Amino acid sequence: NAGVTQTPKFQVLKTGQSMTLQCAQDMNHEYMSWYRQDPGMGLRLIHYSVGAGITDQGEVPNGYNVSRSTTEDFPLRLLSAAPSQTSVYFCASSYSRRHSYNEQFFGPGTRLTVL
Amino acid sequence: KNEVEQSPQNLTAQEGEFITINCSYSVGISALHWLQQHPGGGIVSLFMLSSGKKKHGRLIATINIQEKHSSLHITASHPRDSAVYICAAGETSGSRLTFGEGTQLTVNP
Repeated sequence: NAGVTQTPKFQVLKTGQSMTLQCAQDMNHEYMSWYRQDPGMGLRLIHYSVGAGITDQGEVPNGYNVSRSTTEDFPLRLLSAAPSQTSVYFCASSYSRRHSYNEQFFGPGTRLTVL
Repeated sequence: KNEVEQSPQNLTAQEGEFITINCSYSVGISALHWLQQHPGGGIVSLFMLSSGKKKHGRLIATINIQEKHSSLHITASHPRDSAVYICAAGETSGSRLTFGEGTQLTVNP
């Protein structure tokens, strides 16, 4: 299994540009989440999904969209990039309520810089 | 005030020392997760606790639900344990977690 994969690893955008961060998992996990990590603030939840076709907002959803058309993929879209979105983005997945132990599996992260 | 607070923020130890990292939370939870972030940035899950205590190798995690407090202990610390340790409170599914800011641990040989 590849686990959780994220692309790209690094990205530089100009203010106003849009882009999609890709996330995929091959473990048949139902739950997937997007986090951003900023210095001194810890990880913060952007959006999450409890299954294909179901998404919900987290703590900091503004400026981001997500969709979950398949169990495997959970892309994060930046609609109009702003310097405040400069951050490291992590995608994570875990099983479901049916499992008694839901270890979180994280992708390697995407370092995004918005100029 | 953060809903999940860790202490200390930074910790330096000598190889072989016993390490304790603390986590207090104010949110209602069904589980407390401990994560390790390597110097290269990768994050791995260490434990998920709903009650009591768990042990994996030299790592021990405990939780007191009534006091809303959890601790991560490392016995016989080693330089390879140097990393950021993060606690996160939320649901057992892991789908909605609130994270602490992390504890930077450095273990010197």
